[in-house]
Amino acid sequence: GAVVSQHPSRVICKSGTSVKIECRSLDFQATTMFWYRQFPKQSLMLMATSNEGSKATYEQGVEKDKFLINHASLTLSTLTVTSAHPEDSSFYICSARRQGGGGNTIYFGEGSWLTVV
Amino acid sequence: DAKTTQPNSMESNEEEPVHLPCNHSTISGTDYIHWYRQLPSQGPEYVIHGLTSNVNNRMASLAIAEDRKSSTLILHRATLRDAAVYYCILRAGNQFYFGTGTSLTVIP
Repeated sequence: GAVVSQHPSRVICKSGTSVKIECRSLDFQATTMFWYRQFPKQSLMLMATSNEGSKATYEQGVEKDKFLINHASLTLSTLTVTSAHPEDSSFYICSARRQGGGGNTIYFGEGSWLTVV
Repeated sequence: DAKTTQPNSMESNEEEPVHLPCNHSTISGTDYIHWYRQLPSQGPEYVIHGLTSNVNNRMASLAIAEDRKSSTLILHRATLRDAAVYYCILRAGNQFYFGTGTSLTVIP
């Protein structure tokens, strides 16, 4: 099956610093990737849609200047949390859309735990 | 956004079949029905998807109502490893929006 990999799986950063999370599709090309965040015992919330070679589309209420998304190649999208604060601590999950196979199935990465101290 | 409704939680005995229901009365004609499951601290795992006809794969079966307003994910023999939160999702345009899902507990 399709594989999507995230790195790092866990990161701790100091308040006010920035942290970058990478999302890679390992065995397919993904023109579209998605970033979600998930708080404990809650469902996934879509943050933004990342399109290769163009600007990301952010969901309502998500600060685009705080959550910078770059999708420079067909296999890599990055999420940078800028000036991180403790309330940004969360589980961040990326996914990549694999075209074809009916319904354009999306495959998810393993997730990245961010703790801001 | 196309919405789905699922029970918050369900229980099943190990090695027995499990039927996880999902209502999606606002589904449009081109929406595919996707199912994912998520274990704690992991990303969601693809289970199955379909449009109109019932679907089978090595993990599960998907039964879709004739009017497409509901569907059922069927795990034929629940194992302890099937304990997870199961999400029924309709693809709305290019995005997948998650509902609250069903937390499945498998009893040994």
